Amino acid sequence: EVQLVESGGGLVQPGGSLRLSCAASGFTFSSYSMNWVRQAPGKGLEWLSYISSSSSTIKYADSVKGRFTISRDNAKKSLFLQMNSLRAEDTAVYYCARDGDYYDSSGYQRGWFDPWGQGTLVTVSS
Amino acid sequence: DIQMTQSPSSLSASIGDRVTITCRASQGISNYLAWFQQKPGKAPKSLIYAASSLQSGVPSKFSGSGSGTDFTLTISSLQPEDFATYYCQQYNSYPPTFGQGTKVEIK
Repeated sequence: EVQLVESGGGLVQPGGSLRLSCAASGFTFSSYSMNWVRQAPGKGLEWLSYISSSSSTIKYADSVKGRFTISRDNAKKSLFLQMNSLRAEDTAVYYCARDGDYYDSSGYQRGWFDPWGQGTLVTVSS
Repeated sequence: DIQMTQSPSSLSASIGDRVTITCRASQGISNYLAWFQQKPGKAPKSLIYAASSLQSGVPSKFSGSGSGTDFTLTISSLQPEDFATYYCQQYNSYPPTFGQGTKVEIK
C-alpha cells in the first residue's frame, strides 16, 4: 500500500523555524517527484513546492520562496520541508503529495497530486 | 497565475440526486485538470485527472468532462459517503492552482 506519513509539525513563534518530514512507503520513492501543499484552517488548498525525483528541479510558490527549502533523501525514502522566518499566515496543515503522472497523445504528463499524506499541523503564534 | 473558480461554493442535495460542480480556468488549460474530494479532518483524495480519467479505485458514479476553460464534475447518484468538499486543480502551468472548493451538504 502506498503511504505517506508527515511529521515535525507543532507550535513555533513568529520568526522561528521548523523542519517537516514525509516518510514514504509502498512505492519506489526515488522514481517519483514530490510536492508540499498546505491548507490554512477553514481555507482552501495551496501548493507550496515541488522537487523532481533526482532533486534536479525544484520549484516554489512565491509565498514561500526564500523562506522554505524542499529536499529529499531517496536512500531514506524521505521528503523534507525546511521552514524559516515563519509568519502567522503560515499556520496550516501541511501535506506531502506524490506527483501524479500519465502518458497521453501529447506525451508524458504530470502535475496533480496522488496520494496525499495525512498532514501535519503547523501553528505559528507567540 | 491561472485562477480557478468553482461554482457553486456550496450546495445542498438529497441522497440519490445527480450533482454537478463547475470549475472555470482564467485561461485555457487544455485537459490538465484534476478533481479531489476532502472530508472533514482528512487529506484530499484524488478522483479524476486529465479532466475525465477516473483515478484507480474511484467509483464510476464520479465523472468529469471539459477542456479549455470550462470543466464539470458530476456525481450520478449522491450517497451519504459523498458529502464532502470538492476541489479542482489545474496542472497546465506553474504554479499549480486550486479552486476555492465546493461543499456538498445534506438537504
